[in-house]
Amino acid sequence: GAVVSQHPSRVICKSGTSVKIECRSLDFQATTMFWYRQFPKQSLMLMATSNEGSKATYEQGVEKDKFLINHASLTLSTLTVTSAHPEDSSFYICSASNQGGWGDEQYFGPGTRLTVT
Amino acid sequence: SQQGEEDPQALSIQEGENATMNCSYKTSINNLQWYRQNSGRGLVHLILIRSNEREKHSGRLRVTLDTSKKSSSLLITASRAADTASYFCATIKKSSGDKLTFGTGTRLAVRP
Repeated sequence: GAVVSQHPSRVICKSGTSVKIECRSLDFQATTMFWYRQFPKQSLMLMATSNEGSKATYEQGVEKDKFLINHASLTLSTLTVTSAHPEDSSFYICSASNQGGWGDEQYFGPGTRLTVT
Repeated sequence: SQQGEEDPQALSIQEGENATMNCSYKTSINNLQWYRQNSGRGLVHLILIRSNEREKHSGRLRVTLDTSKKSSSLLITASRAADTASYFCATIKKSSGDKLTFGTGTRLAVRP
């Protein structure tokens, strides 16, 4: 099946610094990638939708200047958390879709746990 | 909230028993999907049921969909300790392209 990787799996950073998370589709070309965040014992909340070669579409309430998303190629999207604060500590998960249209399967990465101290 | 609701929030059963989880959603959908998440890990896609389907099976999994009630159920038969995980339903609205909206999740614990 399709595989999506994320790097790093865990990261600890100091408040005020920036952190970049990579999401890669390993064996398929992802026309669309999605970024989610998940707080402990809660569900996934979509942050933004990323299409290769165009600007990401952010969900309501998500600061685009704080969560920078770049989808530079069909196999790589990055999420940069800028000027991180402790409240940004969360589990960030990406997913990738290789088919357009309605309702095709998304493949999820293993997630990145961010801790801001 | 845009999220669907799942019940129960938590379920504890004995190995060998069946586990049933329910999901309700709010808008017209193209399909509904069920995912599994082990603690602190990514999501694993279990099954997808389209809006014109009523029931689907995959191994020990059985999913039903009632679009008139905007609800779905996931049945895991003959549960195993390894089934212990959180289970999420997720829907794709007809107007949202590929965007998934996740339910609140059910935490399943299967006691050996």
